[in-house]
Amino acid sequence: DAGITQSPRYKITETGRQVTLMCHQTWSHSYMFWYRQDLGHGLRLIYYSAAADITDKGEVPDGYVVSRSKTENFPLTLESATRSQTSVYFCASRDWDSAYEQYFGPGTRLTVT
Amino acid sequence: DAKTTQPPSMDCAEGRAANLPCNHSTISGNEYVYWYRQIHSQGPQYIIHGLKNNETNEMASLIITEDRKSSTLILPHATLRDTAVYYCIVRNYGQNFVFGPGTRLSVLP
Repeated sequence: DAGITQSPRYKITETGRQVTLMCHQTWSHSYMFWYRQDLGHGLRLIYYSAAADITDKGEVPDGYVVSRSKTENFPLTLESATRSQTSVYFCASRDWDSAYEQYFGPGTRLTVT
Repeated sequence: DAKTTQPPSMDCAEGRAANLPCNHSTISGNEYVYWYRQIHSQGPQYIIHGLKNNETNEMASLIITEDRKSSTLILPHATLRDTAVYYCIVRNYGQNFVFGPGTRLSVLP
């Protein structure tokens, strides 16, 4: 199906473990984004990418690593998960010439115990 | 990017117009006003955007004051499915979006 998907949708992991959240879009959008949303807060930008092999930090990048070897995929890795990274993670994408509309995925709910 | 101020919550009766205000008194001349909404547990969804003229689409209308220091999002006939958090964002073209806490709209039967 066309669109933007995230996997897994739910994940429980232990402190110190590495975990990777996947994001895949089928539109060949140039821009992709990772946000986190904590209870009672708006979305905060973690990392974004303007194209394959181009990534940049957002507002809260510490503790996260991203890569983008293919246009359609933008994985987010927590190298050593901490309880403070318990959150809902949203991936988004937009095309380079559509600067107003971002399309968001369904989210991944991550719990670090 | 200019900061926005929105009421934390609002109620609206089903079938009535929902008018969601947003203050952005420090907006600069080339910053647009955008509205997104987030229905419970889902990713945010684009609604509408504008620079200085009023805008309307199939979802909503956006009214921007002449001095551009505030705007109102209007949902003309609110339904229960419009219950969501609504985010007002101002930004320059091409910059990243910054989502604040938004307004939690409850549409009541």
